[in-house]
Amino acid sequence: NAGVTQTPKFQVLKTGQSMTLQCAQDMNHEYMSWYRQDPGMGLRLIHYSVGAGITDQGEVPNGYNVSRSTTEDFPLRLLSAAPSQTSVYFCASSYTRHRLSYEQYFGPGTRLTVT
Amino acid sequence: EDQVTQSPEALRLQEGESSSLNCSYTVSGLRGLFWYRQDPGKGPEFLFTLYSAGEEKEKERLKATLTKKESFLHITAPKPEDSATYLCAVQGLNTNAGKSTFGDGTTLTVKP
Repeated sequence: NAGVTQTPKFQVLKTGQSMTLQCAQDMNHEYMSWYRQDPGMGLRLIHYSVGAGITDQGEVPNGYNVSRSTTEDFPLRLLSAAPSQTSVYFCASSYTRHRLSYEQYFGPGTRLTVT
Repeated sequence: EDQVTQSPEALRLQEGESSSLNCSYTVSGLRGLFWYRQDPGKGPEFLFTLYSAGEEKEKERLKATLTKKESFLHITAPKPEDSATYLCAVQGLNTNAGKSTFGDGTTLTVKP
């Protein structure tokens, strides 16, 4: 199993440009999430999904869109990049069994700089 | 709204000097509390899940404990390779499973 994969690893954008961060998992997990991590801070939830076709907003959703057409893929779209979106972005997947929540598996991250 | 506060922000230890990291949380019913380790430039890596007060989990030099208001990550006789940022996260019963609230982390440095 590859686990959770993210592409690209690094990206530099100019203000106003758009792009899509890719995330894929091969563990058949129903839950997938996008977080951003700023220096010295923990992870803040951007958007998450509880299954194919179902997404919802997290703590900091503005400026980002998501969709989930398959169980495996959960891309994050930046509509019009702003310097405030300079951050490290992590994708994660997880699952539940018998009403118990289990741990999240994280990808290696995408380091985004907006100039 | 679920909340997590971790302390201290940073901790410097000598090799072999045991200590504890604190995670205080507020949730309206706990679905699960999670500890992760994050090395520089990498994604968080899972350590423990705790579901109910009184529960304890151990792995090598690490032991996680849980009360109704906080969790501790005890580090016994740490080694330099234990240096990392340790993140605590909670899932409340009123939120969708898979949606975690994270603390800001404790950065641990162990000097040889």
